[in-house]
Amino acid sequence: KQEVTQIPAALSVPEGENLVLNCSFTDSAIYNLQWFRQDPGKGLTSLLLIQSSQREQTSGRLNASLDKSSGRSTLYIAASQPGDSATYLCAPLGWYSSASKIIFGSGTRLSIRP
Amino acid sequence: DAGVTQSPTHLIKTRGQQVTLRCSPKSGHDTVSWYQQALGQGPQFIFQYYEEEERQRGNFPDRFSGHQFPNYSSELNVNALLLGDSALYLCASMTSGEDTQYFGPGTRLTVL
Repeated sequence: KQEVTQIPAALSVPEGENLVLNCSFTDSAIYNLQWFRQDPGKGLTSLLLIQSSQREQTSGRLNASLDKSSGRSTLYIAASQPGDSATYLCAPLGWYSSASKIIFGSGTRLSIRP
Repeated sequence: DAGVTQSPTHLIKTRGQQVTLRCSPKSGHDTVSWYQQALGQGPQFIFQYYEEEERQRGNFPDRFSGHQFPNYSSELNVNALLLGDSALYLCASMTSGEDTQYFGPGTRLTVL
């Protein structure tokens, strides 16, 4: 059974800092892993998707890495801004009993102080 | 090309009532999954529909049921609503055999 853990649960840093969000998962038989952003009361925004054969993906100030064998992924945010404040969700997608589904972590709630 | 759409955006119900939420998948997608996200938690898988049949179900009671129509759109029905059913309900679509799910904006259900 896939279990996803995100550490830390909450993080508050001053503007401009580089930061790393961590995700671990127990079942390495995944197709891919997505990082989502969620603003309070809103839906999910996909930030990055890493295929199981890839090691990392980059989009602007965001870089996500994937180590499937060890069940770990990190999201690196460079030069953080107050607009980055949101909850970040790690979501590996796997095949379970004839259906593919995403198992989400509980998220890291990020607050960037001006 | 419209992405995944959900209706309504917000909904308020009272305990014991029934509710129906709707989802239209992204064009070309034939598989729809539903997720429930309680406050402060990550989304939890409810079930997935493909070819109008429920392909897999998460750990949710029978009060939660669904349907997929020939045009691949889907409904989520919840009977005998409880206060604990208050959550954001997310729909995701994909093409069977591919590996990327696209999420809709969600329906916020409040049960009073």
